[in-house]
Amino acid sequence: AQSVSQHNHHVILSEAASLELGCNYSYGGTVNLFWYVQYPGQHLQLLLKYFSGDPLVKGIKGFEAEFIKSKFSFNLRKPSVQWSDTAEYFCAVNADNYGQNFVFGPGTRLSVLP
Amino acid sequence: SAVISQKPSRDICQRGTSLTIQCQVDSQVTMMFWYRQQPGQSLTLIATANQGSEATYESGFVIDKFPISRPNLTFSTLTVSNMSPEDSSIYLCSVRGAEPGELFFGEGSRLTVL
Repeated sequence: AQSVSQHNHHVILSEAASLELGCNYSYGGTVNLFWYVQYPGQHLQLLLKYFSGDPLVKGIKGFEAEFIKSKFSFNLRKPSVQWSDTAEYFCAVNADNYGQNFVFGPGTRLSVLP
Repeated sequence: SAVISQKPSRDICQRGTSLTIQCQVDSQVTMMFWYRQQPGQSLTLIATANQGSEATYESGFVIDKFPISRPNLTFSTLTVSNMSPEDSSIYLCSVRGAEPGELFFGEGSRLTVL
């Protein structure tokens, strides 16, 4: 079965530190990849997405992610985090045969200390 | 963007009872999605609700346990039937956005079954 894994359950960083959240998926075909974010008390919202083309995609709030097909990975990065980045981050995959189904990773909670 | 309202936002229920969750969208949409997020786990798609036809359930979910209504293009309900403590979860309503791969989520309904 298709699955998405995220490397860390909880990451704690100080402001200005660099961030990398790992995401790996298991599916050999064409995939669309996403990162969603849920800020405390708010709805899940789309952070960035990859469909095709340049494997380095940029999203909102200075986030970027790199698709490495050979590693089945789509890691999320930010060079310098802020306290306001404290949230839960979900990696998600939508593949050709998933139909309407997005497969979400278990989420990584990011806590940024001021 | 779509604004999605869910009711109730949270509830505490007794084992063996049923609860209906309502989802209202501020625009007409063809498909509405119901997800479950169990404690410490990722989002899992329960079913896709199309207006005018029966809902399509994902593997592991059945209509008798999670009956869904979709009376019009802006509204859907999910019922969690004959609840047990294992049904304690956050239930999320979702619709697609205009951009490919974008999902909009409601704030979720947090269910605790005693």
